[in-house]
Amino acid sequence: EVQLVESGGGLVQPGRSLRLSCAASGFTFDDYAMHWVRQAPGKGLEWVSGISWNSGSIGYADSVKGRFTISRDNAKNSLYLQMNSLRAEDTALYYCAKDLLPTVTTGNYFDYWGQGTLVTVSS
Amino acid sequence: DIVMTQTPLSLSVTPGQPASISCKSSQSLLHSDGKTYLYWYLQKPGQPPQLLIYEVSNRFSGVPDRFSGSGSGTDFTLKISRVEAEDVGVYYCMQSIQLMYTFGQGTKLEIK
Repeated sequence: EVQLVESGGGLVQPGRSLRLSCAASGFTFDDYAMHWVRQAPGKGLEWVSGISWNSGSIGYADSVKGRFTISRDNAKNSLYLQMNSLRAEDTALYYCAKDLLPTVTTGNYFDYWGQGTLVTVSS
Repeated sequence: DIVMTQTPLSLSVTPGQPASISCKSSQSLLHSDGKTYLYWYLQKPGQPPQLLIYEVSNRFSGVPDRFSGSGSGTDFTLKISRVEAEDVGVYYCMQSIQLMYTFGQGTKLEIK
C-alpha cells in the first residue's frame, strides 16, 4: 500500500524558514518523480514544485521560485521542501504527491497524495 | 501560465441524476506527441485529492464507470452519469502540458 506522510508544518513568523518532509513507502521511491501541492484554507489547489527521480529535473511555481527548494533522498525514501522567506500567502496545507512518471516534464500527474501538513505564516 | 476555468463553481444534484462540469484552458492542451494533458481530480471533504481521469478520458484504477471525461484542445467535460452520495466534494481539472501545472478553481458538488 502506497503511503505518503508529511511532517514539519507549524506556525512560523513571516520571513522565517521551515523544512517539510514526506516519508514514502509501499512503492519503489526512486522510480518516480515527486511533487508538493498546496491548498490555502478554503481555497483551491496550487502546484508548488516537482523533482525527478534522480533530482536531475526540478520545477517551481513562480510564486515560490527563489524562496523554496525541493530535494529528495532516495536512500531514505524521503522528499523535502525547504521554505525560506516565508510570507503570509504561503499559509496552506502542503501535500506530498507521487507522480506516475520518473521525470518532471510534460504529462505529469499525481496518483497518490499524503494527508498534508499545515503551514501557518503569521506574526 | 495556462489558466484553467471551470463552470459551474457549484452544483446541487439529486441522487441518480447526471452531472456535468466544464473546464476550459487558455491554451490548447494537445501536445505534439498527440496526447492531451488534461486530468480530473475529486477532493472529498477532509481528504486529499484523488485522481479520477487522466489524459482527458481515461479512468484511473478503481474509478467507477459512471465517471467519464471528454473534450479536446481547450474544452473539456467531466460527466457523472448517475450521481451517488459518495460523489460529493470538489472537482478540479488540471493541465500538465506546461511545467507550471495549473488547476481549475474547483467545482463543488452537493447532493440535494
